Amino acid sequence: NAGVTQTPKFQVLKTGQSMTLQCAQDMNHNSMYWYRQDPGMGLRLIYYSASEGTTDKGEVPNGYNVSRLNKREFSLRLESAAPSQTSVYFCASGEGIYEQYFGPGTRLTVT
Amino acid sequence: QKEVEQDPGPLSVPEGAIVSLNCTYSNSAFQYFMWYRQYSRKGPELLMYTYSSGNKEDGRFTAQVDKSSKYISLFIRDSQPSDSATYLCAMGNSGGYQKVTFGTGTKLQVIP
Repeated sequence: NAGVTQTPKFQVLKTGQSMTLQCAQDMNHNSMYWYRQDPGMGLRLIYYSASEGTTDKGEVPNGYNVSRLNKREFSLRLESAAPSQTSVYFCASGEGIYEQYFGPGTRLTVT
Repeated sequence: QKEVEQDPGPLSVPEGAIVSLNCTYSNSAFQYFMWYRQYSRKGPELLMYTYSSGNKEDGRFTAQVDKSSKYISLFIRDSQPSDSATYLCAMGNSGGYQKVTFGTGTKLQVIP
């Protein structure tokens, strides 16, 4: 039982490049989330998916797109990376607002 | 003003001490109150959650919620070096938009 897995663990991009962050969970959860964590800002919700086939914007969705590929997988895409998107990205899954299971994170640097 | 305020610390205590971690909030609609622990360069992990007001105990950890004061606390008894981590409070309500608001975290160091 791996829980929530994320790939890649680290990534360096140049401004304007694109990339997709992958997330998968094996806990059969309906809800999945993408957060970014920045010093002094806490965890901020980018997008979430309440169930397979649905996605909704969170607090900071600009510059990102998501795909809920199936119940297990939820990907985050940066179409044209900017230095302001340098951050640590966490995927999470859960069944209720009070219980989210987080992945190990992806450290992204945009130069 | 942030919706959830948390002192960033760092907080250094000797092993065996009682630790008190706190958060204040401004949104009276919050009904769920959570505490997450995050070790360095890892993802947050849920420690415990409380619904509405009151106390909840789990081993050495006790969570308290005072909705009248908009104040929540996490107490750690008999603190251990393995408790050294950043502690995040988080809050939400059960409305249609399943949004959780996180505090910025308090860094705790337990000195052996």
